[in-house]
Amino acid sequence: GESVGLHLPTLSVQEGDNSIINCAYSNSASDYFIWYKQESGKGPQFIIDIRSNMDKRQGQRVTVLLNKTVKHLSLQIAATQPGDSAVYFCAGSYGNKLVFGAGTILRVKS
Amino acid sequence: SAVISQKPSRDICQRGTSLTIQCQVDSQVTMMFWYRQQPGQSLTLIATANQGSEATYESGFVIDKFPISRPNLTFSTLTVSNMSPEDSSIYLCSAVGATEAFFGQGTRLTVV
Repeated sequence: GESVGLHLPTLSVQEGDNSIINCAYSNSASDYFIWYKQESGKGPQFIIDIRSNMDKRQGQRVTVLLNKTVKHLSLQIAATQPGDSAVYFCAGSYGNKLVFGAGTILRVKS
Repeated sequence: SAVISQKPSRDICQRGTSLTIQCQVDSQVTMMFWYRQQPGQSLTLIATANQGSEATYESGFVIDKFPISRPNLTFSTLTVSNMSPEDSSIYLCSAVGATEAFFGQGTRLTVV
């Protein structure tokens, strides 16, 4: 079956540093991956996505990298801010459904 | 982007009772889904809410326990039936728009 999982459950970074959150997936059938941010008491919020025919996609302060060879996905956040503190989930699209990874807690230290 | 409203936002319910959660999207969407997120964990797909027909359930979830309705393209309900403390969780509605999947705020359910 499909699985999408994360290497690190918690990541603590100093304000202003860059953050890298990693994600591995097992089923190469997905053609679309998404990163979500979930703050306490809220639903997941879309951050950035990437199609499987791309290696890299950049947004505002965020970059997603996709390495299909090793089935690895990462989210890079530049100049991490206190407002970035949240749980981050990767998700892979399989048909019409999303399969979510376990989540990484990002803590930003001021 | 679509805006999804879910209600109630939270509830405390007695075991053995049922709770119906409503999900309203502000625009027509192709797909709607219901997820469960247990405390400190990731999201697990319960079912796909199909407009005008029975929902499609994932392994481990059944219609008798989680009946779902979707009478039109913008509205869906999830009922958690005959609740037990193990059903305490956050239930999230999701809708797929033109380019991405959006989520409601979630319903935090506590069963006592």
